[in-house]
Amino acid sequence: LAKTTQPISMDSYEGQEVNITCSHNNIATNDYITWYQQFPSQGPRFIIQGYKTKVTNEVASLFIPADRKSSTLSLPRVSLSDTAVYYCLVGDKTDKLIFGTGTRLQVFP
Amino acid sequence: KAGVTQTPRYLIKTRGQQVTLSCSPISGHRSVSWYQQTPGQGLQFLFEYFSETQRNKGNFPGRFSGRQFSNSRSEMNVSTLELGDSALYLCASSLVAGRSDRISYEQYFGPGTRLTVT
Repeated sequence: LAKTTQPISMDSYEGQEVNITCSHNNIATNDYITWYQQFPSQGPRFIIQGYKTKVTNEVASLFIPADRKSSTLSLPRVSLSDTAVYYCLVGDKTDKLIFGTGTRLQVFP
Repeated sequence: KAGVTQTPRYLIKTRGQQVTLSCSPISGHRSVSWYQQTPGQGLQFLFEYFSETQRNKGNFPGRFSGRQFSNSRSEMNVSTLELGDSALYLCASSLVAGRSDRISYEQYFGPGTRLTVT
């Protein structure tokens, strides 16, 4: 079974850039890497997904190296409302969907 | 467009009982997945349904089962409840499971059903 690990927590200040890395050592060849944000008492919310290199949308960027064994979610200029738990999601080579362990991001004023 | 809805939102059951949870996906979405979320184990994949067929299953015992109806609505059932089944059960829907030859996991989650087993 794949291990998908993330830092447990990160602290940041408003306006800073935050980078959260996920390690996925057994990712399936054809699967996208997807990131979600979760607030308390809510279901996860889709942020971004990519297959390789770099993807950017209006809220985040996703960097994926050539070996695809890790990915980095980049949140530019975070605000207090970005305080949440962030998860990566990948499919592994046994066709199982694996969520990362989650990173609790705390943004301070 | 209405989001994913799950019913009930909260449920209290006793050990040994069974429970059925319901999920209505976003209109037009044909794939429905179920997840269990606990503080200790995090988010764990239960199963995925597409066009009324179970296409993928996580590592859960046979007490956990599900089904999908022709209108894409889905139910999951847990029989012989154990204390460890207390969790937030999340349902997620997506348009399609694959995009060209790559597998997309862009899913939209419901608010979840909080199940407490006493």
